[in-house]
Amino acid sequence: SAVISQKPSRDICQRGTSLTIQCQVDSQVTMMFWYRQQPGQSLTLIATANQGSEATYESGFVIDKFPISRPNLTFSTLTVSNMSPEDSSIYLCSVAHWGARGQETQYFGPGTRLLVL
Amino acid sequence: AQKVTQAQTEISVVEKEDVTLDCVYETRDTTYYLFWYKQPPSGELVFLIRRNSFDEQNEISGRYSWNFQKSTSSFNFTITASQVVDSAVYFCALSERSNQAGTALIFGKGTTLSVSS
Repeated sequence: SAVISQKPSRDICQRGTSLTIQCQVDSQVTMMFWYRQQPGQSLTLIATANQGSEATYESGFVIDKFPISRPNLTFSTLTVSNMSPEDSSIYLCSVAHWGARGQETQYFGPGTRLLVL
Repeated sequence: AQKVTQAQTEISVVEKEDVTLDCVYETRDTTYYLFWYKQPPSGELVFLIRRNSFDEQNEISGRYSWNFQKSTSSFNFTITASQVVDSAVYFCALSERSNQAGTALIFGKGTTLSVSS
């Protein structure tokens, strides 16, 4: 399995500010995914980050609001810009990992709990 | 379009009862992958099982079992002799046609399971 860490684990921020979330994986992966989980809700994909190219954003998410960096095969950052209380969520990164039999499994980081006041 | 439906929002059982969590999916692809994840109160997303569309063999792992039926597009999850530690939100998820780089997941809304002693 892949081991994924995220920083910070939680933060409380003031509206109008920005927060950068880091995601580190213990092995090299091609794709990394960023999801948002609003309070009491399911997970929604924000964007897919491929090393060496620009991230691909899902409908309803834009690069200006959620810029993503992917400088190498083990690391990615997601920035939540110009935050408002509606951005209060858990942000999770995930990676696809292939087992010995070629089966893909997606593993998730522990998440970053963000509260915007 | 891809869609995952978990019709049960909340389920409450008493310890040692068996409980089945329902998942119905929609996809146009003939090759796809189904997952179950557990999210305990601590918030991390724990991978439970992955199923390929071409493998309809049901699986049992300890107290957990999964029933995959393509004819009804269902992938149900049963916990036998439930325990308090099983209390969590359970998510069913779908991905299509892995391209060896990874494919994002489509999640159901989740089922909150509460097991009381």
